[in-house]
Amino acid sequence: AQTVTQSQPEMSVQEAETVTLSCTYDTSESDYYLFWYKQPPSRQMILVIRQEAYKQQNATENRFSVNFQKAAKSFSLKISDSQLGDAAMYFCAFISNFGNEKLTFGTGTRLTIIP
Amino acid sequence: SQTIHQWPATLVQPVGSPLSLECTVEGTSNPNLYWYRQAAGRGLQLLFYSIGIDQISSEVPQNLSASRPQDRQFILSSKKLLLSDSGFYLCAWNRGYSPLHFGNGTRLTVT
Repeated sequence: AQTVTQSQPEMSVQEAETVTLSCTYDTSESDYYLFWYKQPPSRQMILVIRQEAYKQQNATENRFSVNFQKAAKSFSLKISDSQLGDAAMYFCAFISNFGNEKLTFGTGTRLTIIP
Repeated sequence: SQTIHQWPATLVQPVGSPLSLECTVEGTSNPNLYWYRQAAGRGLQLLFYSIGIDQISSEVPQNLSASRPQDRQFILSSKKLLLSDSGFYLCAWNRGYSPLHFGNGTRLTVT
């Protein structure tokens, strides 16, 4: 079974600074997808970024980028120029390209932005 | 474009009462449908997922059940609620291995 681990329950960053959230996963599959979701206080789940395992290039979406290390099974999220609106819970998620189509989530990291 | 509707937004129910949460998806066909539960300050726990009508898998044994009466309708039910059923329930959908799209959630309080 796949597992997703987020070892940082809470993180904080000064506004306009850069922060990196960690995520590791365990799988025997070679073809899969990874995602970062953001859950603000409204509790709406918002997709931040996705990465296909077969792509070597790290995904980027504006101020959000990932560092995907397939061999190390690591998928960290970097937020540049942090803004107050980035304050949220961030969840890392994994889905295999084989077998069932369930998305497995990590336990989340609560990010606080310090003005 | 596709949209997902989940209701009600909040619900307060006494212990032992029944439950019915509804989720519908518009703008797509044959979606995968999911019910997640999130305890306060915690991660998401997958409760049920469905890849088609009459194809529902349960992830966690409990007093909850799910049904899919129509292709784009997913219902979470209970005959008798427990205090431990309190939480935030999220419905979601996707196609294949695309990202999940979530509803706005239902905050359930069992008293």
